Amino acid sequence: KNEVEQSPQNLTAQEGEFITINCSYSVGISALHWLQQHPGGGIVSLFMLSSGKKKHGRLIATINIQEKHSSLHITASHPRDSAVYICAPIQGAQKLVFGQGTRLTINP
Amino acid sequence: DARVTQTPRHKVTEMGQEVTMRCQPILGHNTVFWYRQTMMQGLELLAYFRNRAPLDDSGMPKDRFSAEMPDATLATLKIQPSEPRDSAVYFCASGDRGRTPEQFFGPGTRLTVL
Repeated sequence: KNEVEQSPQNLTAQEGEFITINCSYSVGISALHWLQQHPGGGIVSLFMLSSGKKKHGRLIATINIQEKHSSLHITASHPRDSAVYICAPIQGAQKLVFGQGTRLTINP
Repeated sequence: DARVTQTPRHKVTEMGQEVTMRCQPILGHNTVFWYRQTMMQGLELLAYFRNRAPLDDSGMPKDRFSAEMPDATLATLKIQPSEPRDSAVYFCASGDRGRTPEQFFGPGTRLTVL
């Protein structure tokens, strides 16, 4: 069993829809990154959070440390949100473990 | 505009050749990570350094890979000899452990070994 499980693995939606990507992990962590990677592109950290909720524009991330679960939400989704989203819990001081990623496609 | 830089961005080489990838961490960051990304395995940690000392290189094939930090502004990842299965995107990331566990990723080096 992987240490980090993301669902769904692939998601296609229409522009404007509310998107949720889930991440469950089995390891003890200090915090968790949500990363975004566009096709052929680099990796950008969207959020790093250790408790509660964070919001940047249309993106919201939540984490429940006790339940070992985090979610990434996108409100009013747009085609430019199409990317791979990767959950990366932080073990110990800074060591990342990675989910397999969720490929999101938003159609106009 | 502080960012992690990596060179080269793309590298095509023949099997058996030596490959050197370079990373310049964000100035002042004390931790540097090397990751590899493939379609099959996704992202995986190869090695990381804190204050230029290697802390964990358990993800790295020791017989052909080596990682060093000659100084605080340069990290290198070498493969010798390279093999087709090394074809991947190699990312460097840096962080400031004293302040936050957050990591900042470079643009990656896309390596193709023929």
